[in-house]
Amino acid sequence: QVQLQESGPGLVKPSQTLSLTCNVSGDSISSGSYYWSWVRQPAGKGLEWIGRIYPSGSTTYNPSLGSRVTISVDTSKNQFFLKVTSVTAADTAVYYCAMVRGVNKGFGPWGQGTLVTVSS
Amino acid sequence: YEVTQPPSVSVSPGQTASITCSGDKLGTKYASWYQQKPGQSPVLVMYQDSRRPSGIPERFSGSSSGDTATLTISGTQAVDEADYYCQVWDSYNAIFGGGTKLTVL
Repeated sequence: QVQLQESGPGLVKPSQTLSLTCNVSGDSISSGSYYWSWVRQPAGKGLEWIGRIYPSGSTTYNPSLGSRVTISVDTSKNQFFLKVTSVTAADTAVYYCAMVRGVNKGFGPWGQGTLVTVSS
Repeated sequence: YEVTQPPSVSVSPGQTASITCSGDKLGTKYASWYQQKPGQSPVLVMYQDSRRPSGIPERFSGSSSGDTATLTISGTQAVDEADYYCQVWDSYNAIFGGGTKLTVL
């Protein structure tokens, strides 16, 4: 059974870089046709897809986030990562990592989420 | 591309709840649905319009046609009270609906 867990700083200063890690257990991050995503949710609001990465390193990002987002993967550690540069208060949210089991399939399972607050 | 959900739906226990997700030619895309209870991570309850992941009760079903995808909960129970989000893929981007709060009263 695949499990995901996010980790990283809970507080980031404005204009700095938000960095999170998602640790995957229960299966190899390189298995099958899976790909790996980040989704965020501001308090009291809906879900926003950030982007995804294939084990090969190929990525797709939400155009609304522009070039501020980078997702990377380390298959040797069974981890993938999120970096968001030049953060503002609008980036304050619970950040989730999630697995997608293939084309046109949904997100699941999800990590438990980690709250990141952008504040000085 | 945008998808639209009603902000709220109410249903009596034991009755059928229908939550819609609307978008241009949405029926040509595959929809997924997620259940999220307060303080918890979302859970996938439907994918590829009508396929139910392992462990999801049979009272959950899905359909899609034209511009609308629908998540139906038959014999709704109090434990089904939650926020529900639809999601589609558009040009390799994931698009989430704004969410529907299902109240069981």
